[in-house]
Parts: sequence; C-alpha cells; structure tokens
Amino acid sequence: SQTIHQWPATLVQPVGSPLSLECTVEGTSNPNLYWYRQAAGRGLQLLFYSVGIGQISSEVPQNLSASRPQDRQFILSSKKLLLSDSGFYLCAWSPMGLSTDTQYFGPGTRLTVL
Amino acid sequence: QQQVKQSPQSLIVQKGGISIINCAYENTAFDYFPWYQQFPGKGPALLIAIRPDVSEKKEGRFTISFNKSAKQFSLHIMDSQPGDSATYFCAALESSNYQLIWGAGTKLIIKP
Repeated sequence: SQTIHQWPATLVQPVGSPLSLECTVEGTSNPNLYWYRQAAGRGLQLLFYSVGIGQISSEVPQNLSASRPQDRQFILSSKKLLLSDSGFYLCAWSPMGLSTDTQYFGPGTRLTVL
Repeated sequence: QQQVKQSPQSLIVQKGGISIINCAYENTAFDYFPWYQQFPGKGPALLIAIRPDVSEKKEGRFTISFNKSAKQFSLHIMDSQPGDSATYFCAALESSNYQLIWGAGTKLIIKP
C-alpha cells in the first residue's frame, strides 16, 4: 500500500531564517506531487505541483520554492521566511497520468514563523 | 470561472440529524467532484466523490447529490454523529488538468 510521509511535524522558525520541508511517498512510482498551504481556519492553497523529476509548476508567486530531486521526494524551501509564511503545509500525491482524481494527503507540517 | 463556492462556512447539527453542505461551480469542463474530510491537525482525506454522469452517489451515511444543469453538488450526512465533527471541503477537477479547485471549507459541529 502507498504511504506518504512529511517531516517535521511542527516547526518554529524566526523571520529571515531558511526553510526545508520534506515529503516522501512509498509504494507507488511516478506520482504527481503537490504542496499546499492552509492558513488557520481556511481552505487549501495550491503552491506547487510536479508531474515528474525536475518538473515543477508554481501556482502562487512568493518566496517559496519546490524541488523534486527523486521520483518520490518533494521538497519545499525558502531562503528567508516571512511572518506570512506561517501555516499548515500539506504534501499530497496522486496517481500519474492525466486523470489525477484522488489526491492523498500527508500528515502536514505546522510552521510558525516568529 | 475556476472557483468552487462552498456554503455554509460553519454548521451546527444535533446528533441524529442531517447535515447538508452545498457547493457550486461555473466551469462546465469539471468532471470529477470529491469531498474531503479534515480533522484538526490532520491532512484532508477523501470521503466520497462523484462524476457528472450520475446524479447521486451514496456510501453509508454519506450521499453526494449532483445537479449538472444547476452546476451544484451537495454532501448529505445522515444520522450525523459527534465523530463526524470536522471540516469538509468540496473540490472539482477537470481531468485534463492536474489541479483540484477547492471550496473554502465548512466546519461541521455535531452536538450530542
């Protein structure tokens, strides 16, 4: 069966510090991968998605970036965090191909920028 | 045109009652409509989904009703239980696109 891991689970970082959040998927090959951010009490905002190694599409201009160094690894980064980067970051995967339908979410990372 | 509008923002229902959450869309190319359930501090999980070739889909106490002409779909939770208390998101997908378009969410509270 497929599983998706995210770490760390919680993170408190000062403004201006760098960020690296990691997501890995097991039990599937060539998944589509997604990074979402969820502000407290709000809906999901798609940040990045990837349909293959090295292929990243950005949905929202910001100081965040994403990379996919391996097939089942997706990394969210920032060089300098802003207060507005605080939120709940979710990684998700879906089966490869055009019909992506169901997305499966990881447990999330709660990021607080102080 | 890519938006999915979800209502209400919050909902309180007595135990045993029916919870109803509504969503509306504009893009007629959407062809997959899932509902996700999210508990506090957890990632969303797929609850039930429907494609526009059917008007209703039922899984246990959860039913999706789909009205293609009105471009609306809704989630009905029968015999609502305290364990159903969560945030519910509707979403829509155009199969040629990789992006789910999400509603803003409904916080559901079931009172015992």
